[in-house]
Amino acid sequence: DQQVKQNSPSLSVQEGRISILNCDYTNSMFDYFLWYKKYPAEGPTFLISISSIKDKNEDGRFTVFLNKSAKHLSLHIVPSQPGDSAVYFCAAENQGGKLIFGQGTELSVKP
Amino acid sequence: ETGVTQSPTHLIKTRGQQVTLRCSSQSGHNTVSWYQQALGQGPQFIFQYYREEENGRGNFPPRFSGLQFPNYSSELNVNALELDDSALYLCASSMRGQGSNEQYFGPGTRLTVT
Repeated sequence: DQQVKQNSPSLSVQEGRISILNCDYTNSMFDYFLWYKKYPAEGPTFLISISSIKDKNEDGRFTVFLNKSAKHLSLHIVPSQPGDSAVYFCAAENQGGKLIFGQGTELSVKP
Repeated sequence: ETGVTQSPTHLIKTRGQQVTLRCSSQSGHNTVSWYQQALGQGPQFIFQYYREEENGRGNFPPRFSGLQFPNYSSELNVNALELDDSALYLCASSMRGQGSNEQYFGPGTRLTVT
């Protein structure tokens, strides 16, 4: 069963605008949620995380929102830059420290 | 501070063979996790090692095994390779006990089984 889902395989955004990447999960016992960015031929790079007891975390241009009742989180990138073009993975962490990843969303930011 | 490194970068093996992949964790990290990423999918958790002991395992058969050494580096061994084992294998290190388990990934080893 897919406990973490990213339903949009791709997203295209104009430079300077907002990018919103979405993620849904099924297990209410997850402790943390994380976003990773991946360029081709590189490993995923940690971007930002949020504890399950919070509903928002902000770091520069990146903000993650958590809606526990809807079991939904989103990553906002404002303003989007061409260098943000990559595959973005949402991940959930259980008490055992295991990360469960979504399938990824490929973001393309056009100049 | 050195990041997570993995070797080799690419590997081609024949069905039925055995393979060993290696990972050096980031300086100061005591936990190593291994993931398998098939094409077009997110990474899937294989297992995690903490202080040289297996600390959790995903839905992978016993022919996937691992080791962690006193310097916290790690190996992933896969026996009796199957075509479906072709994937990118990612190693991630973290420091257990520091709140969120922010795992730092290596560049991966691309395994092709023919």
